Formats: sequence, C-alpha cells, structure tokens
Amino acid sequence: AQSVSQHNHHVILSEAASLELGCNYSYGGTVNLFWYVQYPGQHLQLLLKYFSGDPLVKGIKGFEAEFIKSKFSFNLRKPSVQWSDTAEYFCAVNALGGGTSYGKLTFGQGTILTVHP
Amino acid sequence: DTEVTQTPKHLVMGMTNKKSLKCEQHMGHRAMYWYKQKAKKPPELMFVYSYEKLSINESVPSRFSPECPNSSLLNLHLHALQPEDSALYLCASSQTGQAVNTIYFGEGSWLTVV
Repeated sequence: AQSVSQHNHHVILSEAASLELGCNYSYGGTVNLFWYVQYPGQHLQLLLKYFSGDPLVKGIKGFEAEFIKSKFSFNLRKPSVQWSDTAEYFCAVNALGGGTSYGKLTFGQGTILTVHP
Repeated sequence: DTEVTQTPKHLVMGMTNKKSLKCEQHMGHRAMYWYKQKAKKPPELMFVYSYEKLSINESVPSRFSPECPNSSLLNLHLHALQPEDSALYLCASSQTGQAVNTIYFGEGSWLTVV
C-alpha cells in the first residue's frame, strides 16, 4: 500500500518569503500526484496535479511543483507567499496498480502554512 | 465554486438516530466517492462508486451505508453511529473511476454524534 509523507506540520512565513513544502511517497509504480489546499472553513481545492510529461507543473495562484521520480518526491513551491496563502496544504497520491486502486487518493498528513503580513 | 454539492452542511445526531448525507454533481462524472476527515487529520477514503456500482469499500463499519441512486447522486445513510464517528464527511467525484482523473471535492458535511 502506498503512503505519503509531508515533512513539515506547520510552516510560518512572512509575506514575500519563498515557500517549499516537501512531499514524499512510497510506491514503486506509476502514480498520479496532487496538491490540494484547504483554506480555513472551506473545502479542499485542487492546486495542481501531475499525471505525465513535464515534471515541473504549474498550478493556480502562482504555485508550482516538481516531480522527481528518483526521489519519490513532489514538492510544492511558491516564490513569494501572500497572507491569503494561509491554509492547510495536502499532498495526495493515486497509485496506479490495478482496477481497485483507481480513484483512491492517499493523503499526506497536511502542512499548515501561516503567513504573517 | 465547487460543483459537488453536499447537504446538509452541519448535522447533529444522537446515537440511535437514522440520518442521511446527500451529494450531487452535475459534471457528468461517473465516479463518486465518500471520504472522512477527522479534525487535524487528512481525508481517508471510505467508498468508491464507479458507474453507479460500489467498487471500493475501505472496510467501513456497516453503520455507514452508501447508496448511489443514479450517476449524479450519492447518499451516505447513517445509523447507530458512535461519538467517534464525528467528522467532516467529504463527497467527491471524477470523470471515471479509471486512471488519470482529477477528483473534485465538495464542501463537506460536518457531522456531530452526541
């Protein structure tokens, strides 16, 4: 079974600082990778996704992520954070290994990002 | 705005009650999901329906009973729940239950069992 690890539980930054959130997964096969964001009191929203092709993917609100297959990583980055980026960020993996695995997202524990103005 | 709509947004129920959570999507998706999210925890998959058929049950207790009346609707029937079942229940959908699909989440239903 796959697992997802997010290295930081809580990250605190000042506005304009750069952000990198780590995500590693354990699964040797093909994966679909996602980052979701959950703003306070709101639902999960898709930030970006990787299915295949260019390992550097760009998402909404200036976020990007890089898939490094050899490191089983999919780190999220943003060059300059804003106060409005304060939220919880979840990395998720869909391991493609058979019919019963389709549609099953395994989430990391989440990283709470607090951005001070 | 999310195109996966869940009702009710909040539900308080006693341990002997029977209630239902409802989910609706109009994106033409053929796969629908129930996830459970406890406080300060990530979402965990409960059920997957693909083409209106239950395809994954993640060993969920029988006090949770899913139902997919048609391709747009997904229900979660609740009976004899325990206080530890209090959580945010998230409905989601994707184009199919196959590979290479984005899963879209609803806003969730906050359930409190007293």
